[in-house]
Amino acid sequence: DAGVIQSPRHEVTEMGQEVTLRCKPISGHDYLFWYRQTMMRGLELLIYFNNNVPIDDSGMPEDRFSAKMPNASFSTLKIQPSEPRDSAVYFCASSFLTGGSGNTIYFGEGSWLTVV
Amino acid sequence: KQEVTQIPAALSVPEGENLVLNCSFTDSAIYNLQWFRQDPGKGLTSLLLIQSSQREQTSGRLNASLDKSSGRSTLYIAASQPGDSATYLCAGILSGSARQLTFGSGTQLTVLP
Repeated sequence: DAGVIQSPRHEVTEMGQEVTLRCKPISGHDYLFWYRQTMMRGLELLIYFNNNVPIDDSGMPEDRFSAKMPNASFSTLKIQPSEPRDSAVYFCASSFLTGGSGNTIYFGEGSWLTVV
Repeated sequence: KQEVTQIPAALSVPEGENLVLNCSFTDSAIYNLQWFRQDPGKGLTSLLLIQSSQREQTSGRLNASLDKSSGRSTLYIAASQPGDSATYLCAGILSGSARQLTFGSGTQLTVLP
Protein backbone atom coordinates (compact mmCIF):
# COMPACT_ATOMS: atom_id res chain seq x y z
CA ASP A 1 0.00 0.00 0.00
CA ALA A 2 1.18 3.54 -0.73
CA GLY A 3 0.36 4.75 2.74
CA VAL A 4 -1.70 7.80 3.62
CA ILE A 5 -1.53 10.26 0.74
CA GLN A 6 -2.01 13.97 1.24
CA SER A 7 -2.18 16.85 -1.21
CA PRO A 8 -1.00 19.45 -1.71
CA ARG A 9 2.32 18.96 0.06
CA HIS A 10 2.94 22.68 0.20
CA GLU A 11 0.61 25.61 -0.26
CA VAL A 12 1.09 29.32 0.07
CA THR A 13 -2.07 31.39 -0.08
CA GLU A 14 -3.22 34.88 0.67
CA MET A 15 -5.32 35.71 3.68
CA GLY A 16 -9.01 35.39 2.92
CA GLN A 17 -8.62 32.68 0.32
CA GLU A 18 -10.18 29.26 0.58
CA VAL A 19 -7.85 26.36 1.23
CA THR A 20 -8.72 22.72 0.60
CA LEU A 21 -6.48 19.93 1.84
CA ARG A 22 -7.01 16.40 0.63
CA CYS A 23 -6.34 12.98 2.05
CA LYS A 24 -6.51 9.41 0.83
CA PRO A 25 -6.32 6.97 3.75
CA ILE A 26 -4.84 3.50 3.61
CA SER A 27 -7.24 1.13 1.92
CA GLY A 28 -9.33 -0.81 4.43
CA HIS A 29 -8.78 1.58 7.32
CA ASP A 30 -11.95 2.65 9.05
CA TYR A 31 -10.67 5.60 11.06
CA LEU A 32 -9.40 8.84 9.59
CA PHE A 33 -7.90 11.70 11.60
CA TRP A 34 -6.92 15.28 10.83
CA TYR A 35 -4.17 16.77 13.01
CA ARG A 36 -2.51 20.16 13.00
CA GLN A 37 1.08 20.74 14.09
CA THR A 38 2.54 24.08 15.13
CA MET A 39 5.63 25.03 17.08
CA MET A 40 3.56 26.60 19.81
CA ARG A 41 0.92 23.93 20.31
CA GLY A 42 2.49 20.76 18.97
CA LEU A 43 0.17 18.16 17.46
CA GLU A 44 -3.53 18.74 17.95
CA LEU A 45 -6.42 16.58 16.82
CA LEU A 46 -8.90 18.57 14.77
CA ILE A 47 -11.48 15.95 13.83
CA TYR A 48 -11.79 12.25 13.24
CA PHE A 49 -14.11 9.98 11.27
CA ASN A 50 -15.17 6.39 11.70
CA ASN A 51 -16.60 4.66 8.65
CA ASN A 52 -16.91 8.07 6.94
CA VAL A 53 -18.94 9.55 9.80
CA PRO A 54 -17.53 12.46 11.82
CA ILE A 55 -17.24 11.32 15.43
CA ASP A 56 -15.53 14.17 17.24
CA ASP A 57 -14.93 17.62 15.81
CA SER A 58 -14.31 19.36 19.12
CA GLY A 59 -10.78 20.17 18.04
CA MET A 60 -11.85 22.21 15.04
CA PRO A 61 -10.76 25.71 16.01
CA GLU A 62 -13.48 27.78 14.37
CA ASP A 63 -16.37 27.67 11.99
CA ARG A 64 -13.92 28.61 9.27
CA PHE A 65 -12.76 25.00 9.39
CA SER A 66 -14.80 22.15 7.94
CA ALA A 67 -14.05 18.55 7.05
CA LYS A 68 -15.82 15.97 4.97
CA MET A 69 -15.40 12.32 4.13
CA PRO A 70 -17.70 11.51 1.22
CA ASN A 71 -16.37 7.97 0.88
CA ALA A 72 -13.93 5.56 2.48
CA SER A 73 -11.05 6.62 0.27
CA PHE A 74 -11.20 10.40 0.41
CA SER A 75 -11.42 13.23 2.89
CA THR A 76 -11.04 17.00 2.72
CA LEU A 77 -10.24 19.68 5.25
CA LYS A 78 -11.34 23.13 4.17
CA ILE A 79 -10.47 26.52 5.62
CA GLN A 80 -12.59 29.44 4.48
CA PRO A 81 -11.55 32.20 4.80
CA SER A 82 -7.92 31.45 5.68
CA GLU A 83 -5.94 33.58 8.14
CA PRO A 84 -2.20 33.86 8.84
CA ARG A 85 -2.63 32.06 12.17
CA ASP A 86 -3.81 29.00 10.25
CA SER A 87 -0.26 28.53 8.98
CA ALA A 88 0.78 25.07 10.14
CA VAL A 89 1.39 21.53 9.00
CA TYR A 90 -1.82 19.58 8.60
CA PHE A 91 -1.55 15.82 8.92
CA CYS A 92 -4.01 13.18 7.90
CA ALA A 93 -3.79 9.78 9.55
CA SER A 94 -5.69 6.52 9.36
CA SER A 95 -6.02 3.32 11.30
CA PHE A 96 -7.88 0.03 11.36
CA LEU A 97 -9.59 -1.13 14.52
CA THR A 98 -8.27 -4.67 14.83
CA GLY A 99 -9.16 -5.39 18.42
CA GLY A 100 -6.24 -6.88 20.21
CA SER A 101 -3.66 -6.60 17.47
CA GLY A 102 -2.78 -3.01 17.28
CA ASN A 103 -4.66 0.07 16.18
CA THR A 104 -1.39 1.48 14.88
CA ILE A 105 -2.07 4.89 13.44
CA TYR A 106 -0.35 5.80 10.18
CA PHE A 107 0.37 9.37 9.18
CA GLY A 108 0.69 11.05 5.83
CA GLU A 109 3.59 13.33 4.96
CA GLY A 110 1.55 16.41 5.79
CA SER A 111 0.35 19.52 3.98
CA TRP A 112 2.50 22.55 4.79
CA LEU A 113 0.24 25.60 4.71
CA THR A 114 1.43 29.19 4.76
CA VAL A 115 -1.13 31.98 4.78
CA VAL A 116 0.32 35.40 4.04
CA LYS B 1 -8.06 15.09 30.27
CA GLN B 2 -5.08 12.99 29.32
CA GLU B 3 -1.79 14.88 29.28
CA VAL B 4 1.43 13.49 27.90
CA THR B 5 4.82 14.89 28.85
CA GLN B 6 8.21 14.13 27.37
CA ILE B 7 11.52 14.83 29.05
CA PRO B 8 14.04 15.98 28.00
CA ALA B 9 12.94 18.32 25.23
CA ALA B 10 16.31 17.90 23.54
CA LEU B 11 19.14 15.44 23.88
CA SER B 12 22.55 15.26 22.26
CA VAL B 13 24.70 12.13 22.53
CA PRO B 14 27.82 10.74 20.86
CA GLU B 15 27.44 7.94 18.38
CA GLY B 16 27.33 4.47 19.89
CA GLU B 17 25.78 5.49 23.16
CA ASN B 18 22.70 3.77 24.55
CA LEU B 19 19.95 6.21 25.50
CA VAL B 20 16.50 6.41 27.05
CA LEU B 21 13.70 8.78 26.15
CA ASN B 22 10.97 9.32 28.70
CA CYS B 23 7.24 9.80 28.37
CA SER B 24 4.75 10.26 31.18
CA PHE B 25 0.97 10.42 31.10
CA THR B 26 -1.54 11.55 33.67
CA ASP B 27 -4.26 8.96 33.22
CA SER B 28 -3.34 5.33 33.91
CA ALA B 29 -6.46 4.20 32.06
CA ILE B 30 -4.51 4.13 28.86
CA TYR B 31 -5.49 1.85 26.00
CA ASN B 32 -2.19 1.83 24.18
CA LEU B 33 0.87 3.95 23.69
CA GLN B 34 2.65 4.60 20.42
CA TRP B 35 6.13 5.96 19.73
CA PHE B 36 6.76 7.94 16.57
CA ARG B 37 9.74 9.40 14.84
CA GLN B 38 9.57 12.69 12.92
CA ASP B 39 12.35 13.88 10.65
CA PRO B 40 12.53 17.59 9.74
CA GLY B 41 9.98 18.47 7.10
CA LYS B 42 8.49 15.00 7.18
CA GLY B 43 5.48 13.21 8.58
CA LEU B 44 5.37 10.87 11.54
CA THR B 45 6.68 7.34 11.26
CA SER B 46 5.31 4.80 13.71
CA LEU B 47 8.09 3.00 15.58
CA LEU B 48 6.42 0.86 18.22
CA LEU B 49 2.96 0.31 19.62
CA ILE B 50 2.45 -1.04 23.13
CA GLN B 51 -1.00 -2.19 24.10
CA SER B 52 -2.24 -1.85 27.66
CA SER B 53 -1.92 -5.61 28.22
CA GLN B 54 1.73 -5.52 27.20
CA ARG B 55 4.74 -4.24 29.06
CA GLU B 56 7.18 -3.79 26.22
CA GLN B 57 7.80 -4.05 22.50
CA THR B 58 11.05 -4.44 20.61
CA SER B 59 12.06 -3.65 17.07
CA GLY B 60 15.71 -3.90 16.14
CA ARG B 61 17.70 -1.51 18.32
CA LEU B 62 14.53 -0.03 19.79
CA ASN B 63 12.74 -1.17 22.91
CA ALA B 64 9.70 0.54 24.35
CA SER B 65 8.21 -0.18 27.75
CA LEU B 66 4.94 0.76 29.37
CA ASP B 67 4.23 1.00 33.09
CA LYS B 68 0.60 1.97 33.53
CA SER B 69 0.75 2.09 37.32
CA SER B 70 3.41 4.76 37.29
CA GLY B 71 2.11 6.47 34.17
CA ARG B 72 5.38 6.12 32.31
CA SER B 73 6.78 4.81 29.06
CA THR B 74 10.39 4.72 27.94
CA LEU B 75 12.00 4.30 24.54
CA TYR B 76 15.41 2.71 24.70
CA ILE B 77 17.73 3.11 21.72
CA ALA B 78 20.77 0.89 21.69
CA ALA B 79 24.04 1.75 19.97
CA SER B 80 22.78 5.07 18.66
CA GLN B 81 23.71 6.19 15.14
CA PRO B 82 23.68 9.61 13.46
CA GLY B 83 20.73 8.38 11.39
CA ASP B 84 18.72 8.16 14.60
CA SER B 85 18.74 11.96 14.83
CA ALA B 86 15.11 13.07 14.74
CA THR B 87 12.28 14.14 17.02
CA TYR B 88 10.68 11.31 18.92
CA LEU B 89 7.07 11.63 20.02
CA CYS B 90 5.00 9.45 22.27
CA ALA B 91 1.23 9.41 22.08
CA GLY B 92 -1.44 7.63 24.09
CA ILE B 93 -4.95 6.50 23.43
CA LEU B 94 -7.20 6.70 26.44
CA SER B 95 -9.32 3.72 27.36
CA GLY B 96 -12.96 4.22 26.65
CA SER B 97 -12.26 6.93 24.13
CA ALA B 98 -12.15 6.28 20.46
CA ARG B 99 -8.90 6.13 18.63
CA GLN B 100 -7.54 9.66 18.86
CA LEU B 101 -3.98 10.07 20.09
CA THR B 102 -2.84 12.59 22.66
CA PHE B 103 0.72 13.60 21.84
CA GLY B 104 3.65 14.66 23.94
CA SER B 105 5.71 17.61 22.79
CA GLY B 106 8.57 15.39 21.67
CA THR B 107 12.27 14.91 22.37
CA GLN B 108 14.67 16.23 19.73
CA LEU B 109 17.56 13.77 19.53
CA THR B 110 20.91 14.54 17.96
CA VAL B 111 23.46 11.75 17.63
CA LEU B 112 26.91 13.17 16.97
CA PRO B 113 29.28 11.23 14.70
